[in-house]
Amino acid sequence: KQEVTQIPAALSVPEGENLVLNCSFTDSAIYNLQWFRQDPGKGLTSLLLIQSSQREQTSGRLNASLDKSSGRSTLYIAASQPGDSATYLCAVSKGNAGNMLTFGGGTRLMVKP
Amino acid sequence: ETGVTQTPRHLVMGMTNKKSLKCEQHLGHNAMYWYKQSAKKPLELMFVYNFKEQTENNSVPSRFSPECPNSSHLFLHLHTLQPEDSALYLCASSQVQENEKLFFGSGTQLSVL
Repeated sequence: KQEVTQIPAALSVPEGENLVLNCSFTDSAIYNLQWFRQDPGKGLTSLLLIQSSQREQTSGRLNASLDKSSGRSTLYIAASQPGDSATYLCAVSKGNAGNMLTFGGGTRLMVKP
Repeated sequence: ETGVTQTPRHLVMGMTNKKSLKCEQHLGHNAMYWYKQSAKKPLELMFVYNFKEQTENNSVPSRFSPECPNSSHLFLHLHTLQPEDSALYLCASSQVQENEKLFFGSGTQLSVL
């Protein structure tokens, strides 16, 4: 059974810092990996999707990497801003079905002005 | 606005009530999902519908009954729930066999008394 772990569970940084969120998964037979953002009491917003054949994806200040063989992904946030405060969730797909996701517990990020 | 609309946003029900959650997607997607998000637990996949056909039931109790009348609408019928069923219920949609990125609604916060 696939298990997804995110470290740290919570993180508080001053504005402007670069930071790295970590995600690990136990079964490397994934179709893709997605990073989401969730604001309190709200749904999820997809940030980046990395196919299993890719090593990284970038969107603005966000960069996500994938090392499938070691079961790891990182989300790098450059020049953090208070508006980045949210919970960040990592999810991996099941086998050859890209739409069956197993989620990690999330990292709760607070960026202080 | 993600293109996925859920109603109601909040719901309080007794253990003997029957209620339904509604989800509608305006993205032309062909797959829809129900996820459950409980406090202190990762998101859990409940049901998957591809092209209106249920393709996954993730060992969900029968007191939760999904319905997908067409590719744009998804319902979750609730009856004789337990207090431990209190959670945020999230609907999502995606385009199967493309990049599989999931788009989530804002969720229904359910409290069972």
